[in-house]
Amino acid sequence: AQKITQTQPGMFVQEKEAVTLDCTYDTSDPSYGLFWYKQPSSGEMIFLIYQGSYDQQNATEGRYSLNFQKARKSANLVISASQLGDSAMYFCAMREGKDAGNMLTFGGGTRLMVKP
Amino acid sequence: DAMVIQNPRYQVTQFGKPVTLSCSQTLNHNVMYWYQQKSSQAPKLLFHYYDKDFNNEADTPDNFQSRRPNTSFCFLDIRSPGLGDAAMYLCATTADRGLDNEQFFGPGTRLTVL
Repeated sequence: AQKITQTQPGMFVQEKEAVTLDCTYDTSDPSYGLFWYKQPSSGEMIFLIYQGSYDQQNATEGRYSLNFQKARKSANLVISASQLGDSAMYFCAMREGKDAGNMLTFGGGTRLMVKP
Repeated sequence: DAMVIQNPRYQVTQFGKPVTLSCSQTLNHNVMYWYQQKSSQAPKLLFHYYDKDFNNEADTPDNFQSRRPNTSFCFLDIRSPGLGDAAMYLCATTADRGLDNEQFFGPGTRLTVL
C-alpha cells in the first residue's frame, strides 16, 4: 500500500490566488512527521514546512500552511498569494518514528503551474 | 553558508563505464543519503549512512555502491552504468534521529548514459 499519496499529478493556479495541494498518508505509528518539499526545474529539493503528529496546531511558514487533519490522515499544503516562482514540483513526505534511519517516504508529487 | 554540495552537476558516461558521483556537506550531519530520481517521479532512496554505519535499501541494485570516508564526504559509485541508470542523483543529510529533523538536499547530479 502507498504510504504517501498525492492525487493531483498537475495543477494550475492563477497568480495571486491560493492553492491547495493534497496529501494523504498511511501509518500505524503514532509518532510521525510530515514534510513538504518544493523542487524547481533546476532539481534541488527545498524544504518548505513540517508538521509533527503530536502538534496541536497547523504549521505555518510565511505563505505556506499545512492543513493537518489527523483523523483523515491528510496533510494538505496551502500556498497563499501564488507567485510565478512557485511553479515547481511539490512533494509530500513522511518520516515514521519507528524508523531508526530517519528515512523519508515521498509521494509521487504534484506539478504546480502558476499562470500570470 | 553551510550546505550540501554535489559534484559534478552534470555527468555523462558511456554504457558500462564506471562513474563516481560525490557529495560533501559542511553541516556536520551524522546521516547522509543517496537518492535516485527519474523524470517526473519521486526520489527513491538507494542507501544511507548513519555515521559510518552503511544501510542498503533491499531493492538497490548491486551495481550501486557507496563510500563515506569521513563525516563530510560521501560517494556514489556506479560500477557498470546501464541506460536505465540515467537519472538525477540527490544527496541529502540530516542531523540525527529527531523526528522533526528535515533533510537538506544538494543540487543533484544529472547522469546521462550514452
